[in-house]
This record gives sequence, structure tokens and C-alpha cells, in this order.
Amino acid sequence: DAGVIQSPRHEVTEMGQEVTLRCKPISGHDYLFWYRQTMMRGLELLIYFNNNVPIDDSGMPEDRFSAKMPNASFSTLKIQPSEPRDSAVYFCASSSLAKPLHFGNGTRLTVT
Amino acid sequence: KQEVTQIPAALSVPEGENLVLNCSFTDSAIYNLQWFRQDPGKGLTSLLLIQSSQREQTSGRLNASLDKSSGRSTLYIAASQPGDSATYLCAVKTDSSYKLIFGSGTRLLVRP
Repeated sequence: DAGVIQSPRHEVTEMGQEVTLRCKPISGHDYLFWYRQTMMRGLELLIYFNNNVPIDDSGMPEDRFSAKMPNASFSTLKIQPSEPRDSAVYFCASSSLAKPLHFGNGTRLTVT
Repeated sequence: KQEVTQIPAALSVPEGENLVLNCSFTDSAIYNLQWFRQDPGKGLTSLLLIQSSQREQTSGRLNASLDKSSGRSTLYIAASQPGDSATYLCAVKTDSSYKLIFGSGTRLLVRP
């Protein structure tokens, strides 16, 4: 079991550019979550999917953020256009019902 | 609105000491509570999951307790080791959705 795999590990981009973060959940897990972690706000849930369907996106900060899960083994979080305040560590996590969450190692995003 | 608080924010202890980390939550109507460990530059690793009907869970040198009526959970670490140095976060699941509300964490340093 390779765990939850995220790419890239680090992303540095300029304000206004499009950023795409990628996630491969653990095989067999039917829930996928995108979290954002900052010093000021801690861990925030952005969106989660069940069986590839978005269930709750109330944590997505603005329309500049979008997430997709085209199949059970892949999800993307896109920011367009990016802004300096989007700088954070973005985590993907996956789980099955009533089981603990498994997190990826995160993508550290820096927007200059 | 559920709020999760962890005190202290940081803790430094000598190797071998037994220690307790605290987590409090404002709404006692929870489904479960999880303790996570986060190493620098890494994602979160689930340590223990306590269902609302349980009072405690144990894994090796770790013991987590849950007192819903008082809105508290503790994580007890026995015979601490330098390898236990990390940030420890607790998170509560408060409804049938999959949202977890995280505390801000306790940064633990175990000195050799």
C-alpha cells in the first residue's frame, strides 16, 4: 500500500497563474478530502467526495478554487487565478466509512 | 458551532517521562474523536480513533480517553522517547457528514 500520493510536493508560482494539485487516494477508499493548512487558520476542510461525487464544497474559499474527481483513483484541486493568500500546504486524504483518515504528504504552495 | 482547543500549544519534556496532551470541544454531541501525529513536512498520521460510545482506546504506549459530558479527551504517552517529538492534533466528527473539526495541535519535544 503506497498510501495517498500527492503531486507536486512543492509548487512556486506567480500571482495570477493557474495551479493544479493532484491526488491519488488509497485503492478501495471511497471518500476523498482536500484540506488546507496554514499557521493562522490551522487545518481547514475545503471539499470532500464520496464515490467520486462532491458531497460538501462549503469550505472552498472562492470561485477561484475548483476540484474534480474523474475516477476513483485520481482527484485534482485547481486554483485559477492564484493569489499570494492562497499560499499554504494542501493535503489530500482518503478513507472508508467509519475508518481513520489517511493523509498524503501535502503540496506546499507558494504564490509570489 | 463546534470548536476544538488543544492546550498547551507546545510542550518540552525529558526522555522517559509520562505525559498527557489535552483536547477540549464545545459541543458534546460528537460521533467520534481522532488523535493524529504530524511530523515536519509530512501529512497527518492517525494514531487512535475513539467512537462516541467508547471511553478509551490504547495502542502501544499511547492511551486516549474520551469524556463527552465534559467535552474532553486526553492522549497519554508513556515512557516518552525522542522519536515521539511531533505535533499532535485532535479532531472531532460532529455529525453524519464526514467533516472533521481539528484543534490547532500541541507541539511536543522529547529531549534526549
